[in-house]
Amino acid sequence: AQSVSQHNHHVILSEAASLELGCNYSYGGTVNLFWYVQYPGQHLQLLLKYFSGDPLVKGIKGFEAEFIKSKFSFNLRKPSVQWSDTAEYFCAVNPYNTDKLIFGTGTRLQVFP
Amino acid sequence: DAGVTQSPTHLIKTRGQQVTLRCSPKSGHDTVSWYQQALGQGPQFIFQYYEEEERQRGNFPDRFSGHQFPNYSSELNVNALLLGDSALYLCASSLDAGYEQYFGPGTRLTVT
Repeated sequence: AQSVSQHNHHVILSEAASLELGCNYSYGGTVNLFWYVQYPGQHLQLLLKYFSGDPLVKGIKGFEAEFIKSKFSFNLRKPSVQWSDTAEYFCAVNPYNTDKLIFGTGTRLQVFP
Repeated sequence: DAGVTQSPTHLIKTRGQQVTLRCSPKSGHDTVSWYQQALGQGPQFIFQYYEEEERQRGNFPDRFSGHQFPNYSSELNVNALLLGDSALYLCASSLDAGYEQYFGPGTRLTVT
């Protein structure tokens, strides 16, 4: 079955620390890849997306993600986190030519000043 | 430019009842998808509507049904509610399939 794994369920960092959140998916075909963020009390917002081309994609607020096809991974990174990055982060996969997004279980990030 | 809107915000129902949730897509979007997000989980795809027809369906029983209107707004209906249907129901709109989906704030359904 198609699935998305986010191995880090809860991450706690201090401001200015670097962040990397893992995302792996199980699907052998072409995929579109997304990271969504949900800030406290807000709805899901698109952070960044990968459809094709350069496997290193940049999103909003200094986030970036790298698609490694051989590892079926799409890890999210940020060099220096801020308190305002405290949120829940979801990786999602859209198998090509389907209409659905398959989400991981999410990673809760807490950043302390 | 209004984003995706959903109503109501919260809803409490009793087991066995029926519920209807509503969604208005982002301006310019013609495709609406519905997701169920249980506590501590990621959203699970229920189905997607395009041109007033269900285009694809996730692993949900027939108790879950939907509709899309000519103005692209959509409804999600759940019949014979179970306790396990308690969740946040998210609507997302997009410009056709394969494009990024924009999510609404969700409707929190509690079944008692």
